[in-house]
Amino acid sequence: DAGITQSPRHKVTETGTPVTLRCHQTENHRYMYWYRQDPGHGLRLIHYSYGVKDTDKGEVSDGYSVSRSKTEDFLLTLESATSSQTSVYFCAISQGQGSETQYFGPGTRLLVL
Amino acid sequence: GQNIDQPTEMTATEGAIVQINCTYQTSGFNGLFWYQQHAGEAPTFLSYNVLDGLEEKGRFSSFLSRSKGYSYLLLKELQMKDSASYLCAVRDSNYQLIWGAGTKLIIKP
Repeated sequence: DAGITQSPRHKVTETGTPVTLRCHQTENHRYMYWYRQDPGHGLRLIHYSYGVKDTDKGEVSDGYSVSRSKTEDFLLTLESATSSQTSVYFCAISQGQGSETQYFGPGTRLLVL
Repeated sequence: GQNIDQPTEMTATEGAIVQINCTYQTSGFNGLFWYQQHAGEAPTFLSYNVLDGLEEKGRFSSFLSRSKGYSYLLLKELQMKDSASYLCAVRDSNYQLIWGAGTKLIIKP
C-alpha cells in the first residue's frame, strides 16, 4: 500500500472558521489530489498538484485553496467553512497522469456546524 | 457534460457471480478504472482497462467496450468480504478522473 496519511482524521468546526487538512506521502509521487465524497455523488476533484508549488483547480474548487511547499505534503484549506463543506475528504497520489493509478489516503471526516 | 452511470445498489448471494455495469459519456477517453471501497474506508484500486476486452485478475474481471461507452466488473465466487461499494472512473481528455457515484454491493449468506 502507498504510504499516505491524512490529518486530522476527524474534525468538527463551526461555520466561518478556517480549516486546514494535511496530506502526507512517503512515496515521492509527483501528483497529489484532493477529493470530496458525498452521498449520491461520485468523488469530486477539488484541486490537484503536479509538483512543488504547481497546483490547479478541479471541478469543485470554490471556497478551497491548496499549497504544496514540499513533495511530500499537500495542504487543503477551507478559508471560511460552510455547512455545504461537510464531507469526507480524500487525498490521493499518483506517479504520473497517463495510465497511472491513484492511491488514496484514509480520509478526513469534516463536520461544519 | 460528463456522466458516469452505475446502479445504486445490488444484492447477491455468497458463492454466486455478480456483474456491475458502468456506462460513461466523457470528453475523451484515456482509460477506465474500478475501485473497491468498504464502508468508512478509502477506495482501493481493482482494475484498469484502456483497450477493448476482458482483463482477468483472480476472482475479479473487468470488461471494456469503448465504442459502446460501457464497462462491467464481474465478481465470481462471492465472499462476505466483497460487500462494499464499487466505483467506476473514467480518465478524460484532460487526464482527470471522472467518477461514478458507486454501486453498493450487498452479499447475503
